[in-house]
Amino acid sequence: DGGITQSPKYLFRKEGQNVTLSCEQNLNHDAMYWYRQDPGQGLRLIYYSQIVNDFQKGDIAEGYSVSREKKESFPLTVTSAQKNPTAFYLCASSMLGSGANVLTFGAGSRLTVL
Amino acid sequence: KNEVEQSPQNLTAQEGEFITINCSYSVGISALHWLQQHPGGGIVSLFMLSSGKKKHGRLIATINIQEKHSSLHITASHPRDSAVYICAVLPNFGNEKLTFGTGTRLTIIP
Repeated sequence: DGGITQSPKYLFRKEGQNVTLSCEQNLNHDAMYWYRQDPGQGLRLIYYSQIVNDFQKGDIAEGYSVSREKKESFPLTVTSAQKNPTAFYLCASSMLGSGANVLTFGAGSRLTVL
Repeated sequence: KNEVEQSPQNLTAQEGEFITINCSYSVGISALHWLQQHPGGGIVSLFMLSSGKKKHGRLIATINIQEKHSSLHITASHPRDSAVYICAVLPNFGNEKLTFGTGTRLTIIP
């Protein structure tokens, strides 16, 4: 079945450590996105990519990094520079030129900093 | 002020009731999405609208572009409809980046 796989589902990190969240899709979607969700707030865009080897900063990119070496994969690294990394992270993908139609989300990764 | 406002923030209703969730936005858009988020966290896309009305099973979504307003209706609500419903808009400028509302938490009591 086509879809988006995020891993791990739960992750605990000590302060000062970098962690990488995985996002893989087999939908042949061009665009991939990383969002952060905090209680009482709407999803906020961290980074997005519309083509392999290219990505753009979203609204809250500071302290995060991404790569897009393959169309199927868009991993997110939460670096030690991110001051408040505890949150729920969602990866999504869509077909370009479709008005973000065929929008598909992963199941999410919950990161907790100890 | 958020570009996308949803109301109510929380809604509790009895099984069988007709449910309405509202979404207002302040920018010109090319599309509006209604999304459903279950307690586990995963999000499912319910509808994408650019005009008029769409129906899928017991769910109906409407949009009024002139008034910058959309509603999501659930008929004959059921406890399994309990979830957070999120409105997201695609502004008609720039690239395909969605702006999200904060969500409406719906609880249906048996």
